[in-house]
Amino acid sequence: KAGVTQTPRYLIKTRGQQVTLSCSPISGHRSVSWYQQTPGQGLQFLFEYFSETQRNKGNFPGRFSGRQFSNSRSEMNVSTLELGDSALYLCASSLAMDGVHEQYFGPGTRLTVT
Amino acid sequence: AQSVTQLGSHVSVSEGALVLLRCNYSSSVPPYLFWYVQYPNQGLQLLLKYTSAATLVKGINGFEAEFKKSETSFHLTKPSAHMSDAAEYFCAVSDRRNYGQNFVFGPGTRLSVLP
Repeated sequence: KAGVTQTPRYLIKTRGQQVTLSCSPISGHRSVSWYQQTPGQGLQFLFEYFSETQRNKGNFPGRFSGRQFSNSRSEMNVSTLELGDSALYLCASSLAMDGVHEQYFGPGTRLTVT
Repeated sequence: AQSVTQLGSHVSVSEGALVLLRCNYSSSVPPYLFWYVQYPNQGLQLLLKYTSAATLVKGINGFEAEFKKSETSFHLTKPSAHMSDAAEYFCAVSDRRNYGQNFVFGPGTRLSVLP
């Protein structure tokens, strides 16, 4: 079974631009979560989608948004990029069924904002 | 609110020595607990998980962890370190009551293995 895939793997943008990151979960997984990882803040939860609905949201500004499609694929968008948005963005998928909580992570998208 | 602490941001061991990475959690109900490993420029890989079955959990690559409710701990161990174990390790807690309650990760511990 294929793992979680994220595209693109690397991205360089300039301040003020916007960016869209894509995540394809493991087949059959209905939950997709997004995390931002930086050296200073560690792993921070952005949001989770389940059956095309945002089910949970972290403490990030409204510039960060996401969506999930009917095939469970998810996209994350960041508008008006700031230098501080430079980070590794990780997507994780989960079955999210009773007793099954583990998340499986993709390789991440490394975003650099200049 | 849940929280996770990992004592020691950097741990160094000699090859063949015992690996002990510490994790303590705070949760109002017995949580699900996980250990993940991250190699440079990669995502996180699940090492093992605790979901209220056996308190001693065995994972991949020879790692295991023991859930101790009285100590609110879930320390990760490996009897003999290998050079390939050098990576960053994250402990995470999940609230079993709500699938939408997402993981809270600890700050991570970087493991170095010395020859």
